Amino acid sequence: DAGVTQSPTHLIKTRGQHVTLRCSPISGHKSVSWYQQVLGQGPQFIFQYYEKEERGRGNFPDRFSARQFPNYSSELNVNALLLGDSALYLCASSLRLAAYTDTQYFGPGTRLTVL
Amino acid sequence: DAKTTQPNSMESNEEEPVHLPCNHSTISGTDYIHWYRQLPSQGPEYVIHGLTSNVNNRMASLAIAEDRKSSTLILHRATLRDAAVYYCILRGMTNSGNTPLVFGKGTRLSVIA
Repeated sequence: DAGVTQSPTHLIKTRGQHVTLRCSPISGHKSVSWYQQVLGQGPQFIFQYYEKEERGRGNFPDRFSARQFPNYSSELNVNALLLGDSALYLCASSLRLAAYTDTQYFGPGTRLTVL
Repeated sequence: DAKTTQPNSMESNEEEPVHLPCNHSTISGTDYIHWYRQLPSQGPEYVIHGLTSNVNNRMASLAIAEDRKSSTLILHRATLRDAAVYYCILRGMTNSGNTPLVFGKGTRLSVIA
């Protein structure tokens, strides 16, 4: 079975632009989470979606938004990009929402560079 | 906020056992202890998790202290492929019902051939 896939792999944008990152979860997984990983730090939770509804949000500004589609794939959108948004953006999928023994499976990430 | 404390880095010789410690003195009774690792240029991957009893799987063993305030991830024979950042994470239910992973900085493990 295919793992979590993300596109694009790399992306370069300039300040003030908008970006859309995409994620396809493992087949059968209904929960998708997004994380931001700045160089030298651990990943930080941004959003969790389950059955197309936002079910959790981390401490990120409103410039960050996301959605989940009927096929459970997801998009992360970031508006008005800042230099500090440069990071590796990771998508993770899991079977359920509120099962804290469930494994989260991560994709390889999208490396965003803001110039 | 991460509720665990790990050493910044550790070093091991290839084919020797590695013990990666984690302190979590404020753990609650329903928190599970999870370990993930992140190999270079990859997303994190699940290693193991446990609640109270020691756990073994094909990748590693997890030893949990009796008071649950600390745990140790054990790699029985380190290989070069085990060089990664290892994250110890407490995972319990939130008020919103979701269960995000809260990562700290982890322990960077170097394996020497």
